[in-house]
Amino acid sequence: KNEVEQSPQNLTAQEGEFITINCSYSVGISALHWLQQHPGGGIVSLFMLSSGKKKHGRLIATINIQEKHSSLHITASHPRDSAVYICAVTIGGNQFYFGTGTSLTVIP
Amino acid sequence: GAVVSQHPSRVICKSGTSVKIECRSLDFQATTMFWYRQFPKQSLMLMATSNEGSKATYEQGVEKDKFLINHASLTLSTLTVTSAHPEDSSFYICSAIGGLGSPLHFGNGTRLTVT
Repeated sequence: KNEVEQSPQNLTAQEGEFITINCSYSVGISALHWLQQHPGGGIVSLFMLSSGKKKHGRLIATINIQEKHSSLHITASHPRDSAVYICAVTIGGNQFYFGTGTSLTVIP
Repeated sequence: GAVVSQHPSRVICKSGTSVKIECRSLDFQATTMFWYRQFPKQSLMLMATSNEGSKATYEQGVEKDKFLINHASLTLSTLTVTSAHPEDSSFYICSAIGGLGSPLHFGNGTRLTVT
């Protein structure tokens, strides 16, 4: 059983489309992270949130603590957004669980 | 922004040798560092958590004698793969946080190939 479930596993979109990636978790958390991993392997932390909503450029992350659910939205998607997006949750500050990732391909 | 430097980015070694991977936080003090392994087309698998000055906590199924972790300072953690075997070939990534509630910062990973 995975503590963190992500959907979809794979996603292909046309450039300009609005994209949503979902993350559900089953444990009490102190924070949720959205990570981006590019084909070269490097990982970037996009958001860390424990409530509400955060926005950075074309990226929006929301979390509903009661429903144990978070979404990552990408507006006006671009081929450079093609990457694997990983949801991770923190329990107690230094214990992490990771989702299996969503592989996004944005076609020009 | 905060930077974590991981070195080397690629290493090829012969079976039976040991390989050391370094993870440094360049502009913040990392109270906790994490080591992950990633197989092709799979997500991150947490191997161990290390706090500065104390022994690492290994996840279930990770051999502590095989994957030696040292977190000797607030800016440096090392992972040593001892007596490497071809099945240890993988992508190893580190991350660090500066304290409770801080965001995660990741190194760029090390691709290990054991021949």
